[in-house]
Amino acid sequence: DTGVSQNPRHKITKRGQNVTFRCDPISEHNRLYWYRQTLGQGPEFLTYFQNEAQLEKSRLLSDRFSAERPKGSFSTLEIQRTEQGDSAMYLCASSLSGGDGDTQYFGPGTRLTVL
Amino acid sequence: DQQVKQNSPSLSVQEGRISILNCDYTNSMFDYFLWYKKYPAEGPTFLISISSIKDKNEDGRFTVFLNKSAKHLSLHIVPSQPGDSAVYFCAARRNTGNQFYFGTGTSLTVIP
Repeated sequence: DTGVSQNPRHKITKRGQNVTFRCDPISEHNRLYWYRQTLGQGPEFLTYFQNEAQLEKSRLLSDRFSAERPKGSFSTLEIQRTEQGDSAMYLCASSLSGGDGDTQYFGPGTRLTVL
Repeated sequence: DQQVKQNSPSLSVQEGRISILNCDYTNSMFDYFLWYKKYPAEGPTFLISISSIKDKNEDGRFTVFLNKSAKHLSLHIVPSQPGDSAVYFCAARRNTGNQFYFGTGTSLTVIP
């Protein structure tokens, strides 16, 4: 399977704990995106990398959120001191710059539940 | 501020008939539009896209129409099949960035 993969698929944590999610993009894709989706809503943009550089960040990305893509391949999204409002599906997508309009291909997501 | 709107949360269509899903946007700087399909417990799957320089794009049973003056996008599925039952999201991208803006989705049910 050469699609976008995300781990873990599910995460249950207690309020105040830190969590980290991983995304492995399609291998030749140089762009990587993180989105958050809550029930009844479409995906909301969080941040975007081109290679290892983080080029855009949404105002939704509070100081408790940090994302990295150290070698321009996989990426991690960390949430510190989780809150119940952080419960959501976290989606990762990747694209190839200049290819098919930068169409983004999504992974299956990580569902976070904060108790 | 919802810049991409899908005003119909749900739609039911008989198998074999046409499904029409609608999407409206407010930002005139959007230049690229896409439709994604999402099954439960999976990420969105790319379906079809259209550039703002076109008004129609067709791929098999799926056709997307773009009316820039009305800031309106629609997806036609003909003929509809039970396997098309899913949530469909409309998305748009500005000509000055790579962020995609998504609508809230329309849940399509195709009745056998």
